[in-house]
Amino acid sequence: GENVEQHPSTLSVQEGDSAVIKCTYSDSASNYFPWYKQELGKRPQLIIDIRSNVGEKKDQRIAVTLNKTAKHFSLHITETQPEDSAVYFCAASESGGYNKLIFGAGTRLAVHP
Amino acid sequence: EAGVTQFPSHSVIEKGQTVTLRCDPISGHDNLYWYRRVMGKEIKFLLHFVKESKQDESGMPNNRFLAERTGGTYSTLKVQPAELEDSGVYFCASSQVAGVQDTQYFGPGTRLTVL
Repeated sequence: GENVEQHPSTLSVQEGDSAVIKCTYSDSASNYFPWYKQELGKRPQLIIDIRSNVGEKKDQRIAVTLNKTAKHFSLHITETQPEDSAVYFCAASESGGYNKLIFGAGTRLAVHP
Repeated sequence: EAGVTQFPSHSVIEKGQTVTLRCDPISGHDNLYWYRRVMGKEIKFLLHFVKESKQDESGMPNNRFLAERTGGTYSTLKVQPAELEDSGVYFCASSQVAGVQDTQYFGPGTRLTVL
C-alpha cells in the first residue's frame, strides 16, 4: 500500500522567511496530493492540493510542487507570518482505493515575530 | 454551510468500557471517512462509507471497532471494549460525490483517552 514520509517534523523560521515542507510517496499511481493545516485545537483544513497532471500550483503565498518521477511533492510558504504557525500534513491518495488518503506524520511550523 | 461536526469533543473512559463517537457530515455529502491520529503520529485511515454502505474498512484495527451509517446521514464509531492503545484523536471527514477524488472536509475531532 501507499506510504508517505514527511520532513521535517518541526520547522522554526523568522517572520518573513520562507518555509518548505517535503513529502515522498511510494505508490506511483497516486494522483491526488492535498495539504492540510491544523491550528492548535482546530480541525485540519485543506490549504492547497495538486493532481498528478500538473507540476505546480500557487495560491497567494502558498505553492505546491510535484515531481512524479521522483515521487515527491513539497509545500512552499513565502513571507511567513505568525498565523502560519500550525501543524501541516501532506497526503496522497491511494490508487485503486475509493478516495482513501494516506497522510504524512505532520510538520510543526513555528513562525517567530 | 455548516461544517462536519463531531460529538463528543473529549471522552475519558476506563479500559474495558464502551464509547460511541458520532459524526455528522456536511449535508448532501455521500462520502464519510473516519481517521485516527495516535500520539502525534500520522493521521491514519480507518474506514470509508458511501452513503450507508461500507466502501473500505481496511484501516479498522480490530473487531472491537464498529462503525455504522444508518440512513446514509450521520455515522457512529463504537469501541467496545476500549483498550489503552485506542487513545487518540478520532477525525471524521466528508466529501460530496461518490467515485470522485474530491476535497475531504474534516471535523474538529474527538479526543479519546482510555485510562
